[in-house]
Parts: sequence; structure tokens; C-alpha cells
Amino acid sequence: KAGVTQTPRYLIKTRGQQVTLSCSPISGHRSVSWYQQTPGQGLQFLFEYFSETQRNKGNFPGRFSGRQFSNSRSEMNVSTLELGDSALYLCASSFGGSGQPQHFGDGTRLSIL
Amino acid sequence: SQKIEQNSEALNIQEGKTATLTCNYTNYSPAYLQWYRQDPGRGPVFLLLIRENEKEKRKERLKVTFDTTLKQSLFHITASQPADSATSLCARLSYNTDKLIFGTGTRLQVFP
Repeated sequence: KAGVTQTPRYLIKTRGQQVTLSCSPISGHRSVSWYQQTPGQGLQFLFEYFSETQRNKGNFPGRFSGRQFSNSRSEMNVSTLELGDSALYLCASSFGGSGQPQHFGDGTRLSIL
Repeated sequence: SQKIEQNSEALNIQEGKTATLTCNYTNYSPAYLQWYRQDPGRGPVFLLLIRENEKEKRKERLKVTFDTTLKQSLFHITASQPADSATSLCARLSYNTDKLIFGTGTRLQVFP
């Protein structure tokens, strides 16, 4: 079956702009989590959505937001982009129970100029 | 705070040898630990999960241990191959939420 799909793969933006990233989970998965990965900090949890509701949230500013649609597809939005937002943004899906393995997409590489 | 610590230095070993990677955690023992591998430019891929009450878990050439006394998990790859070269990531469940906390990973390089 198809894996997790993230679009776009690469994105270049300038400071102050906003961006929307998309994630299509594995069919049947109801949980979608978003992570930010940078060389210095590693994988940092942003938030998790389950059945269209945000279930968990990491320690990121309000500029980072997300949503999930009824078909479990999810979008992540970052407003007022800063240079420090340059990172690989990864989406992961699972059935949603505790301990379920996370199935990751290959990410969106966001570069801020 | 709940942290996951992995050796940031790369591990270089010869093909055929056993690679051992370490994951240390702080504070409360998590209900389980997960191990992933990540290739450059790709997302992490789930390998193994080991629960708090399990001492050891195996999958083909992979073995994971969980020592709650040492607050440590070891990840072993036996008969290593160049294709095993990747970054290994360890993750723990947060104590009071269902969030996964990842370590920064250890890069493994297997030389022929």
C-alpha cells in the first residue's frame, strides 16, 4: 500500500512569508504527527492530530499551526517565517494507539532566505 | 525533563562485525522505546519497539535491549553490511502524554 506522501518536497521562502505543507497518511491511519528536524536539535515534535482534533502539542510558537481533514489528510502552516524555521518538516501517520510505530514521509525541505 | 541521549559521534565499523549503538534516557522509565533508521534525505523508518517489561527483542539481525536500572537501551546489528549504514534514532514515550521524544541519532558507517 502507498506510504505517507508529503508535498512539496522542497520549498524556498523569504522571511515574513507564510507556508502550507501537506501530508497524506497511509490509508486507514487516523493519527498524523508533524516533526521539525534540524542538525542541531534533531527531531522535535510539533503536534498530533487524530480524527480532525489536535491531540498533542509540542513547544513551538503559535506561528506553527495545523489541521486535519475528514479523510485524515493534514496540513501544517507556518506564518511570519523566520530564518530559524529552515528545516526538514516530517509528517508521520499511525493507527493512533499508544506505542504504535510511526510511518514517516520523506519530508518537506523548507529553506528561508 | 525527559531526555533521550545518543552518542553524536559516528560509529565506524567493518563489514561482518556487530554494531552496538547506545540510547540513554533520563528520569522516569518510559513504557517503551522505539528504534528507527534514517537514510540521508529520507524520513525515519520504524525498526523495533521494546516495552519496559521486556529485556530483549529480536528481528532478523537486529537486537534491542532495555535496562531500566541503567536507564539504557542498546541496539545491536549483527553481521553488519554496508547497507546498514544510516542514522539510528531512539525514541521514548513522554511520561504524561503520547508524544514521542527522539534522540538526535547516531550515524553508523559500515565499511566493506
